[in-house]
Amino acid sequence: DIVLTQSPGTLSLSPGERATLSCRASQSVSRSYLAWYQQRPGQAPRLLIYGASSRATGIPDRFSGSGSGTDFTLTISRLEPEDFAVYYCQQYGDSLALTFGQGTRLENK
Amino acid sequence: QLQLQESGPGLVKPSETLSLTCSVSGGSIRGSSYYWAWIRQSPGKGLEWIGTVYYNGTTHCNPSLKSRVTISADTSKNQLSVKLNSVTAADTGVYYCARPRGLWVGEMWDVWGQGTTVTVSS
Repeated sequence: DIVLTQSPGTLSLSPGERATLSCRASQSVSRSYLAWYQQRPGQAPRLLIYGASSRATGIPDRFSGSGSGTDFTLTISRLEPEDFAVYYCQQYGDSLALTFGQGTRLENK
Repeated sequence: QLQLQESGPGLVKPSETLSLTCSVSGGSIRGSSYYWAWIRQSPGKGLEWIGTVYYNGTTHCNPSLKSRVTISADTSKNQLSVKLNSVTAADTGVYYCARPRGLWVGEMWDVWGQGTTVTVSS
């Protein structure tokens, strides 16, 4: 299985700042089939990014994704109060062994 | 608007079988061409894909759970189900059903149920 390692574990920032979250894969993710989710307390994950860089429907343009191979990044350009949550990456390049990263908690400093 | 709702016992005894249902409204499983998924979230293992089911009954399961899990689709009731046998405390968590964004076996998911919490304890 492809193991996804997210860093940092916790990121402390203030509204208006820029957030950069990392997701590293144990082997190359086929066709950059990498997604990002946001999860707020008590809610299901919400799809933000798919195909490493495509925004899902209704996702604000302050969210962007980049990367290929084994290294991927989620960037939030200017943090809004509602952006403080846990973020997960997920690979679907290995279609019969879908895996998630362990998450990055983005907290309000 | 498509909605998914998980249901089932909140408490299961160790070594018994966990059985959950996902009711789909606002859309039909039959002929939808989606590989519907079950995903769980536990404090110990985070988010974990359990498996997927096509409306015709074709399934694909996480290799780590394959020996214990059964996933099915009931098109007459527009429901999905998952059964996990020989449960232990490690199976405690929130169980979600989800619909993928695209039509491939391996996908990401853009519609999720609210999740149902299952605790394995005697």
